[in-house]
Amino acid sequence: DAMVIQNPRYQVTQFGKPVTLSCSQTLNHNVMYWYQQKSSQAPKLLFHYYDKDFNNEADTPDNFQSRRPNTSFCFLDIRSPGLGDAAMYLCATSTYGLGSLYNEQFFGPGTRLTVL
Amino acid sequence: KQEVTQIPAALSVPEGENLVLNCSFTDSAIYNLQWFRQDPGKGLTSLLLIQSSQREQTSGRLNASLDKSSGRSTLYIAASQPGDSATYLCAVSGNQFYFGTGTSLTVIP
Repeated sequence: DAMVIQNPRYQVTQFGKPVTLSCSQTLNHNVMYWYQQKSSQAPKLLFHYYDKDFNNEADTPDNFQSRRPNTSFCFLDIRSPGLGDAAMYLCATSTYGLGSLYNEQFFGPGTRLTVL
Repeated sequence: KQEVTQIPAALSVPEGENLVLNCSFTDSAIYNLQWFRQDPGKGLTSLLLIQSSQREQTSGRLNASLDKSSGRSTLYIAASQPGDSATYLCAVSGNQFYFGTGTSLTVIP
């Protein structure tokens, strides 16, 4: 089945220690997104790639970076995690980008990040 | 900035009841609205997508409507089941993608 896969499902890191979260997709979608969801809050878009074009949300902290080496994979790098970065990180994909009638997003299971 | 509100924040109903979840948004300049389901500690499952030119979409026991001019959408769940217990999120897609804070639904057997 075509899907969005996130690894690991649970990640524990130490305060200030860089961490990388991984997302892969077998849907061959053009767009890949990263969202942050804190407890009992709505998911918040951090950034997205349309093919190789990177689009950063204005209020995403510089501490968060992303890489998309090919169509299938996208990584979220947190350079110096703070306690406030503990959250569920959700990856999503879509064929059409934002600003399209057909922008339907499909989500992975998420990675829960704990910062000690 | 777009604001998306879902009321109520939590809802508890007996099994078999029909129910309606509400989603409202402040900026009607949207391209579509998507309803998701989220189980505790899990990712989001897409339920229905309504394009801005459409009035409603149906999938099984689910029916979603959209009134773009008034900034409202509803998700109707028929004959609710305990397996429907989850958090339901709506999201509006314009030039950005904004989620509501969700309605936590509990269906009591």
